[in-house]
Amino acid sequence: DSGVTQTPKHLITATGQRVTLRCSPRSGDLSVYWYQQSLDQGLQFLIQYYNGEERAKGNILERFSAQQFPDLHSELNLSSLELGDSALYFCASSVAPGTQNTEAFFGQGTRLTVV
Amino acid sequence: GDSVTQMEGPVTLSEEAFLTINCTYTATGYPSLFWYVQYPGEGLQLLLKATKADDKGSNKGFEATYRKETTSFHLEKGSVQVSDSAVYFCALSDHFGNEKLTFGTGTRLTIIP
Repeated sequence: DSGVTQTPKHLITATGQRVTLRCSPRSGDLSVYWYQQSLDQGLQFLIQYYNGEERAKGNILERFSAQQFPDLHSELNLSSLELGDSALYFCASSVAPGTQNTEAFFGQGTRLTVV
Repeated sequence: GDSVTQMEGPVTLSEEAFLTINCTYTATGYPSLFWYVQYPGEGLQLLLKATKADDKGSNKGFEATYRKETTSFHLEKGSVQVSDSAVYFCALSDHFGNEKLTFGTGTRLTIIP
């Protein structure tokens, strides 16, 4: 158990809908990352938050947004869903950026299926 | 931008065979390098890492050496077990592993008894 909790584990929804994925980081971790794992794109970095502020943005679509709340949990919102958004979405957390000898811990992921 | 090129899979080996999974990278500056493992139905776990040139990361019998001259970080294990069956990802980050990770495509490894 990495200590990173993601809910729900599975989600099935229709095209055009909106969903919210939730992530609780490990106790004490301030940084949260979101990744998308799909068959055609592999594992791609979407976005990073540190202590409530956006720190880095990757290949995140405009239809997707995220935030990190004061209690440090994070939510990834996916809207106007398309079939191609079906993927495994991972959250990871780490202590803080630029800290030596630490690592990012990954949750078990949320599998999103858009039908 | 940064990229990681990983040996294509799937790879199937017999138990106790020697394993090598090749990984090369392109990055500006001096990235940290990682191998992550994903067991079926689970998230990614850090297997080993190296933060500077010539460093060797090791864990659970796996090893990888950070080779700056060849921009490589190949994963090796002398004698694989059935329990090593998983998907292995090579990755890099800019700073000590606390910034975003750039992953390779993953290599699925199956070990046959």
